[in-house]
Amino acid sequence: EAGVTQFPSHSVIEKGQTVTLRCDPISGHDNLYWYRRVMGKEIKFLLHFVKESKQDESGMPNNRFLAERTGGTYSTLKVQPAELEDSGVYFCASSRTRGRETQYFGPGTRLLVL
Amino acid sequence: SQQGEEDPQALSIQEGENATMNCSYKTSINNLQWYRQNSGRGLVHLILIRSNEREKHSGRLRVTLDTSKKSSSLLITASRAADTASYFCATDLRMDSSYKLIFGSGTRLLVRP
Repeated sequence: EAGVTQFPSHSVIEKGQTVTLRCDPISGHDNLYWYRRVMGKEIKFLLHFVKESKQDESGMPNNRFLAERTGGTYSTLKVQPAELEDSGVYFCASSRTRGRETQYFGPGTRLLVL
Repeated sequence: SQQGEEDPQALSIQEGENATMNCSYKTSINNLQWYRQNSGRGLVHLILIRSNEREKHSGRLRVTLDTSKKSSSLLITASRAADTASYFCATDLRMDSSYKLIFGSGTRLLVRP
């Protein structure tokens, strides 16, 4: 069974540009989560999809961030326009069911905004 | 403040020694999970312990959970240089139909060969 994959692994962009991150969850996992770790701080929740529906987007920092999961398979997280403070590692995780179950994380996308 | 807080923030030990990391949290949980992050890599799930469990083992890992004290510990026995990584505890937070993990700031473990 393939794990969670994320693309790209690294991205370096200039302030004001747009970046789109992609996450492919484990096949059959309805739940998909985005987290991020900025400046070596704690890993923070961004949002949670159940299939194609946004279940909880309370962690999204502002309206420059847009997440989608059309068709309930892979998800994209777009940052537009990117700011310096958006630099960090963006993790995606998936789980089969919601609740008392392990979330499996992808390798992360390292984003650097210059 | 964070739901999960690890202690210590950094730990340096000699290969072969045991490493103990602690985690405290504030609210009720269904389960607590420990993850490892090697430098430049993603998060690797180590172990999940449910709220009705007190201790769990997986290879050289031993996790305890004390819900009365809202704390957990991760013990790595006979450490190896490859165990060098950051270790995070994560508690689940469930509200209505939402479910998320709340991470602590992590413990950086250095195992010296």
